[in-house]
Amino acid sequence: SQQGEGDPQALSIQEGENATMNCSYKTSINNLQWYRQNSGRGLVHLILIRSNEREKHSGRLRVTLDTSKKSSSLLITASRAADTASYFCATGGGSSNTGKLIFGQGTTLQVKP
Amino acid sequence: EAGVAQSPRYKIIEKRQSVAFWCNPISGHATLYWYQQILGQGPKLLIQFQNNGVVDDSQLPKDRFSAERLKGVDSTLKIQPAKLEDSAVYLCASSFLKVSYNEQFFGPGTRLTVL
Repeated sequence: SQQGEGDPQALSIQEGENATMNCSYKTSINNLQWYRQNSGRGLVHLILIRSNEREKHSGRLRVTLDTSKKSSSLLITASRAADTASYFCATGGGSSNTGKLIFGQGTTLQVKP
Repeated sequence: EAGVAQSPRYKIIEKRQSVAFWCNPISGHATLYWYQQILGQGPKLLIQFQNNGVVDDSQLPKDRFSAERLKGVDSTLKIQPAKLEDSAVYLCASSFLKVSYNEQFFGPGTRLTVL
């Protein structure tokens, strides 16, 4: 099964601007994670937010979670060309916390120098 | 520490042929995952192992896909016979714990093209 589409599906910004991407999910969760994927480094874990948290920060990343709306957003501040990649949210937990993650469709971010 | 290793990196086969992928997880990681990622989509879990036992294979097309992790370390994923719709990147990931809040580490993937 898949989660919802990334919103937006594609985003193009200038270096130094902020980038915001959203994801929606369908099932109950106990955490939501964001991953980045580029051709050079594959899929890399960025940040995890638990279901009882509303906001979390890590460096230039800020994640919010609204469990009532089953949605999350990832904000990248002061973007760099190196942030060019696809970003996926993934949800974990729910009724059986086996470690399984359900990934969304992702947002493709292009940061122009 | 060494990351998750996968081979081959690329494979081109014709439909109805068979193919196998290999994965070596990070040392000490008991949980191993195989994902299928079709172009333009997020990864989809095919099978999850805890040591050499299967935890979840609910989305594995068992009529053509098989996977094993005999000694609880390396794993192989096989497709026999392949179909055109199996063209995708096959990702292997591992984690230390069998819980979703434990970070998963991904290998570089094997890009499969079925002609």
